[in-house]
Amino acid sequence: SQTIHQWPATLVQPVGSPLSLECTVEGTSNPNLYWYRQAAGRGLQLLFYSVGIGQISSEVPQNLSASRPQDRQFILSSKKLLLSDSGFYLCAWSQGSSQPQHFGDGTRLSIL
Amino acid sequence: DQQVKQNSPSLSVQEGRISILNCDYTNSMFDYFLWYKKYPAEGPTFLISISSIKDKNEDGRFTVFLNKSAKHLSLHIVPSQPGDSAVYFCAALIVNNAGNMLTFGGGTRLMVKP
Repeated sequence: SQTIHQWPATLVQPVGSPLSLECTVEGTSNPNLYWYRQAAGRGLQLLFYSVGIGQISSEVPQNLSASRPQDRQFILSSKKLLLSDSGFYLCAWSQGSSQPQHFGDGTRLSIL
Repeated sequence: DQQVKQNSPSLSVQEGRISILNCDYTNSMFDYFLWYKKYPAEGPTFLISISSIKDKNEDGRFTVFLNKSAKHLSLHIVPSQPGDSAVYFCAALIVNNAGNMLTFGGGTRLMVKP
């Protein structure tokens, strides 16, 4: 069966520090991969998606970037975090264009 | 412009009764609609979906109804159980070769009282 792992579960970082959140999927090959953010009291906003290694599409202009160095690995990064980057970050995967997305357990990021 | 809206931020229901969660959308190009359930500090869990060519899909206690003319869908949970208490997100999907991007509503918090 397929599983998705995200880490860390929680992270507290100072403003201006770098960020690296990692997501890996097991039990499938060539998945579509996604990064979402849920700000407090709001719905899920798609940040990035990837349909293959090295292929990244960005949905919103922001302080973050994403990379897909391997087929089942998706990384969310920032060189300098802002206070507004605080939130709950979720990685998701799907197999095929009409299949549901399945989510990891998320990372709670707090910027001080 | 919010393409998917859940106008009720919260809903409280007695155990054993029916829970009805509503969702409205504006984009007639959506191919599928999905419902996710989310507990605090966890990722959303996929519940049920419906194709835009259908008007009903049922899975156990969960039924989703789609009214395309009204651009409205709803999730019915019968009977409601305390473990159903969570935030429910409606999402819509357009199928294309660039990946199936979901557009989410803002969520509805369901509280099922024992």
